[in-house]
Amino acid sequence: DIQMTQSPSFLSASVGDRVTINCKASQNINKYLNWYQQKLGEAPKRLIYNTNNLQTGIPSRFSGSGSGTDYTLTISSLQPEDFATYFCLQHNSFRTFGGGTKLELK
Amino acid sequence: QVQLKESGPGLVQPSQTLSLTCTVAGFSLTSYNVHWVRQPPGKGLEWMGVIWNTGGTRYNSALKSRLSISKDTSKSQVFLKMNSLQTEDTATYYCARSNWEGDYWGQGVMVTVSS
Repeated sequence: DIQMTQSPSFLSASVGDRVTINCKASQNINKYLNWYQQKLGEAPKRLIYNTNNLQTGIPSRFSGSGSGTDYTLTISSLQPEDFATYFCLQHNSFRTFGGGTKLELK
Repeated sequence: QVQLKESGPGLVQPSQTLSLTCTVAGFSLTSYNVHWVRQPPGKGLEWMGVIWNTGGTRYNSALKSRLSISKDTSKSQVFLKMNSLQTEDTATYYCARSNWEGDYWGQGVMVTVSS
């Protein structure tokens, strides 16, 4: 099974900051990497699919990049509604989630 | 529109079997795959398995020996059964349809394993 290592687990930032979250796969996942945002008590919401494709309705301050085993989610200018938990998901070989990053207000 | 809704018991005794139903609307189970994902309280997401539109299944290797996913396409329902439940199986269980076209999740159902 493919393992996904997500970092950092916790991130403190301020409104307006640029932040990056990383996921590393245990093997090449051919850009089959999605990013999700989850708020307390809600189901996860997909932000980006296949590394860099923005889901309809998601603000352009969210972007994704990467290839091979290394992938990044970038939020260019944090907004108050962005403080949440983020997960990566590989779907190259069935599915594996990363461990999550809790983004908190500094 | 596309909808998924999980249902099942909120409380299961240790060593018993969990049975959950995912009722879908707005699409056919003969055309789309449905996944099950769970999340223990305060923890991350765990992919459990998938039933493909063809009826084939694939399970997380960590759960494979305990898990079974099936469906009734005429009723638009997907079923999850997991046996030998332990306290660490306490979680919110989600069903989801996810592909390049879109990503849809149910609201989730909280299951507590306790005597």
